[in-house]
Amino acid sequence: DTGVSQDPRHKITKRGQNVTFRCDPISEHNRLYWYRQTLGQGPEFLTYFQNEAQLEKSRLLSDRFSAERPKGSFSTLEIQRTEQGDSAMYLCASSLWQEANTIYFGEGSWLTVV
Amino acid sequence: GQQLNQSPQSMFIQEGEDVSMNCTSSSIFNTWLWYKQDPGEGPVLLIALYKAGELTSNGRLTAQFGTTRKDSFLNISASIPSDVGIYFCAGRPFGNTGKLIFGQGTTLQVKP
Repeated sequence: DTGVSQDPRHKITKRGQNVTFRCDPISEHNRLYWYRQTLGQGPEFLTYFQNEAQLEKSRLLSDRFSAERPKGSFSTLEIQRTEQGDSAMYLCASSLWQEANTIYFGEGSWLTVV
Repeated sequence: GQQLNQSPQSMFIQEGEDVSMNCTSSSIFNTWLWYKQDPGEGPVLLIALYKAGELTSNGRLTAQFGTTRKDSFLNISASIPSDVGIYFCAGRPFGNTGKLIFGQGTTLQVKP
């Protein structure tokens, strides 16, 4: 499968712990996006990268959240000191910058904070 | 901030019926997109619309970009059981942004 790959698919963690999600985009895609989705809602934009540069961050991305894409390929999203309100599905997506409307989403990483 | 209002929230229809759902915004968008999401999966792009007034089809799906740039609709003709899922509209604001703004979704159930 050469689509967007996310790992882990499910994570249960205790409040206060740190978690990290990984995203591997489609190989030739230079843009990578992170979204968050809660039950009954549409995805909400968090941040995006073009190559290794983080070009835009949402106000939803508090200082406990950090995203990186060090070599312009895979990306990680880390949440520090998790809170119950962080429970959500974290979606990664990728695209070519010149076809930025054709965004391919991964299957998501479910986070449950207990 | 910008918000999208998607309606209806849910629909329960008989197989073979046509379906219509729409999305409105308080501000204008550069692009409108429609996605379908199955349970436990990420959204899958169905149709992308780039110009005001544009009408685009993808099989049994037809979508239109409203002339005011503040709305869009999606029609599904002759629904089948595999059309079940959550349909989201999404808009891309003008300007140099990678952000899409999504509606709340329309849950479609099809009775065979």
